[in-house]
Amino acid sequence: AQSVTQPDIHITVSEGASLELRCNYSYGATPYLFWYVQSPGQGLQLLLKYFSGDTLVQGIKGFEAEFKRSQSSFNLRKPSVHWSDAAEYFCASEGGFQKLVFGTGTRLLVSP
Amino acid sequence: DGGITQSPKYLFRKEGQNVTLSCEQNLNHDAMYWYRQDPGQGLRLIYYSQIVNDFQKGDIAEGYSVSREKKESFPLTVTSAQKNPTAFYLCASSTTGTSGSVYEQYFGPGTRLTVT
Repeated sequence: AQSVTQPDIHITVSEGASLELRCNYSYGATPYLFWYVQSPGQGLQLLLKYFSGDTLVQGIKGFEAEFKRSQSSFNLRKPSVHWSDAAEYFCASEGGFQKLVFGTGTRLLVSP
Repeated sequence: DGGITQSPKYLFRKEGQNVTLSCEQNLNHDAMYWYRQDPGQGLRLIYYSQIVNDFQKGDIAEGYSVSREKKESFPLTVTSAQKNPTAFYLCASSTTGTSGSVYEQYFGPGTRLTVT
C-alpha cells in the first residue's frame, strides 16, 4: 500500500533560522506530491505541489520543496522561519485514483 | 468567495446518538472527501465521492454513512456504531480528470465532535 513517512514528530527552530521538514513516499516512480499546513483547530492549506518537471517547486509563504527520485523524498524548506510559521505540516502523495495519502505530520515550533 | 464550509465548528453529543456533520462547497468540484484526524495519526479517509449519487468507502468507513444527492453537499453521519467518534472531522473537495490524475484537495475548517 502507498505510504508517506514524516520521520520528525516535532521540530523546534529559532526565528530567522532555516527549516527543512522531511518526507518520504513509497508510491510510484514519479508520484504526485503535496505539502499542506494546518494551524491549530483549522483546516489544511496547500503550500505547494509537484506533478512533474522541475524538481524544485516554489510555494506560498516563501516555502519550497525538492523532489529527489533517488531518495524517494520531497522535503520542505524555508530559508528564514517566522513565528507565524508555527503550525503542523503534512506531506501527501497520491493514494490511488483521485485519492491522497497523508503522512502523520510534523509540528513546527518556533522559538524567539 | 469560493470555498468549503463545515458546520458546526464544535458539536457535542451523548453516546448512542447519531449525528450529521455538514459540508458544502461552491468550487464546482466533482469530488468530495471526509477525513478523520486524531493526534499523531494524520488524516484518515472515511468516505469519498467522485460524482453525485455515488460514493466509496475509505480506510475507516465502519460506523459512518454519507450521501451525495447534490454536487455541492456531502454530509457525514456518525452513527452510534462508531466505537470512538470523538475526533476532528475534515471535509475536502477537488476537481477530477483523466484516469491516473490526482489533483490537490481543498479543505474546510473542520468540525470537532465530542461524544460523552
